Amino acid sequence: GAGVSQSPRYKVAKRGQDVALRCDPISGHVSLFWYQQALGQGPEFLTYFQNEAQLDKSGLPSDRFFAERPEGSVSTLKIQRTQQEDSAVYLCASSFSYSGTEAFFGQGTRLTVV
Amino acid sequence: GQNIDQPTEMTATEGAIVQINCTYQTSGFNGLFWYQQHAGEAPTFLSYNVLDGLEEKGRFSSFLSRSKGYSYLLLKELQMKDSASYLCAVRDASGGSYIPTFGRGTSLIVHP
Repeated sequence: GAGVSQSPRYKVAKRGQDVALRCDPISGHVSLFWYQQALGQGPEFLTYFQNEAQLDKSGLPSDRFFAERPEGSVSTLKIQRTQQEDSAVYLCASSFSYSGTEAFFGQGTRLTVV
Repeated sequence: GQNIDQPTEMTATEGAIVQINCTYQTSGFNGLFWYQQHAGEAPTFLSYNVLDGLEEKGRFSSFLSRSKGYSYLLLKELQMKDSASYLCAVRDASGGSYIPTFGRGTSLIVHP
């Protein structure tokens, strides 16, 4: 595709509900990043993939958060038993090279947990 | 990990020049990025510095001093549309994963 695509753009979940957020990176991009951005803050790193391999998941805040990229393209970020503090914008970014010189971001999914 | 510091908010006048500073501490520096983010939108790439010096790109320039752990983004001939958040991000390759870590962002308000 022309850019990084994320869906849904907006998601309202009841506390305790499971959610799945999708990221379609730019075709051919090997690096994929997930970030969480709270209002008025910079993006906080969650996890990183190189092709299908999840090389770093140190930023995932709890074991309720899980990410996968099984075929090295589309990635899904899953949050189980959502809590109010999970409310944020979840940004996906992809990069052509392994060193990720320039990362392109999607518009994000705004998650609101009520 | 990285410790990235940038001012929270700045204001400037249309047509003027503004400099947004970013200081950082990192063990395996492998590049510094500047991104622009308008409210409700995705961050968009502005510049990348890995060597010391000034990189100029149109109205925007970015400077890096690795020995001082310091960068700045210079915006010239400010326009109203430049009102946005400017994010400084530093990449640390010490763990081999080349992950950019972002600062909190500087909210720039351009007024007539």
